[in-house]
Amino acid sequence: QKEVEQDPGPLSVPEGAIVSLNCTYSNSAFQYFMWYRQYSRKGPELLMYTYSSGNKEDGRFTAQVDKSSKYISLFIRDSQPSDSATYLCAIGNQGGKLIFGQGTELSVKP
Amino acid sequence: DSGVTQTPKHLITATGQRVTLRCSPRSGDLSVYWYQQSLDQGLQFLIQYYNGEERAKGNILERFSAQQFPDLHSELNLSSLELGDSALYFCASSVDGSGANVLTFGAGSRLTVL
Repeated sequence: QKEVEQDPGPLSVPEGAIVSLNCTYSNSAFQYFMWYRQYSRKGPELLMYTYSSGNKEDGRFTAQVDKSSKYISLFIRDSQPSDSATYLCAIGNQGGKLIFGQGTELSVKP
Repeated sequence: DSGVTQTPKHLITATGQRVTLRCSPRSGDLSVYWYQQSLDQGLQFLIQYYNGEERAKGNILERFSAQQFPDLHSELNLSSLELGDSALYFCASSVDGSGANVLTFGAGSRLTVL
């Protein structure tokens, strides 16, 4: 079993749709939860960072962590064509390294 | 520009050869991480250095080695290359080696082994 599981998609939605991206993880020792966005032929860039269970909102993006279920989500409201990218969940502990999900490829059609 | 510099951007080489990938971390960051990204495996952690010392090791092959120099730049050496080593290799850096810090990634080095 992989430490982090993420549906690779691809996911195609119309502009303006609400997008839901999800990951599950196996080790309850993980403490830090992040979402990275990766455009084609670029390096991943941090989108959201959460530490505790609950929701964190930043503009059109909401990150949700449920530690009891070992489940993390990213919601994108009013999706735009510029949101088309691969979204990677990343999970870490005090050791420093991040473990990434497979990544979900998202395409937002005008 | 993330502040993490990787060279070369692209590299094409033959099986059996050896290559070196270079990474300069963001100014002020002491920890460097190497990741391999392939289509079927996703982003896989290889190795982490903190202030010149190896901090953590992941799925790094014995044919691969890395080091971090006193000026904090890092090199990843890949030897006896195989077709399956073709991938994007990313370097990332963070302020220190703790999990609370965000990793900042470079643009990657694309390796093609023919």
